Amino acid sequence: DIQMTQSPSSLSASVGDRVTITCRASQSISSYLNWYQQKPGTAPRLLIYNAAGLQSGVPSRFSGSGSGTDFTLTISSLQPEDFATYYCQQSYSFPQTFGQGTKLEIK
Amino acid sequence: QVHLVQSGAEVKKPGASVKVSCEASGYTFTSYHIYWVRQAPGQGLEWMGSINPTGGSTNYAQKFQGRVTMTRDTSTNTVYMEVNSLISEDTAVYYCARRGPVGAASDHWGQGTLVTVPS
Repeated sequence: DIQMTQSPSSLSASVGDRVTITCRASQSISSYLNWYQQKPGTAPRLLIYNAAGLQSGVPSRFSGSGSGTDFTLTISSLQPEDFATYYCQQSYSFPQTFGQGTKLEIK
Repeated sequence: QVHLVQSGAEVKKPGASVKVSCEASGYTFTSYHIYWVRQAPGQGLEWMGSINPTGGSTNYAQKFQGRVTMTRDTSTNTVYMEVNSLISEDTAVYYCARRGPVGAASDHWGQGTLVTVPS
């Protein structure tokens, strides 16, 4: 199975900050990397597909980049509703696997 | 719009089975695979497997092979996921999700079904 490693595991930031979360795959996954946001008690929400594709309805302050084994999710200017847990996921091969999550908290 | 509506919460004894349903609407049911993902309390996301609603073919994560069965009913646009021989570690929220048109990402999710297996 492909292992996905996110960093950091948790992050404190303020409204308006620029935030970057990284995700590393244990082997090349081309661009088959997706990012999800999850708030407590709710299902995950797809933000970014194929490393850099912005899902419909997702604000443009979210962006993704990378290919191969190293990827990043960037939030250009944090808004109050962005405080949540973020997961990366590889969809290159079965079983699909997720990173352990990054909890983004208010400073 | 796309909706995935799951069945309600369940409490099961160790050794029992549970069957969770996921009814799809708002799109052509047979055009998109359905994934199942679970999340234990306070933990991350774990991908369990997928089903192709067209022919019913499945792919299971090795961990769940032989204990999980995914099926579908095209007459009701519903996918089912059954877990046998439940143990307390199976206590989790189980989600169905639609495989999107690009990159095999999960673009729409059900609301989740909590399955509790008391120890």
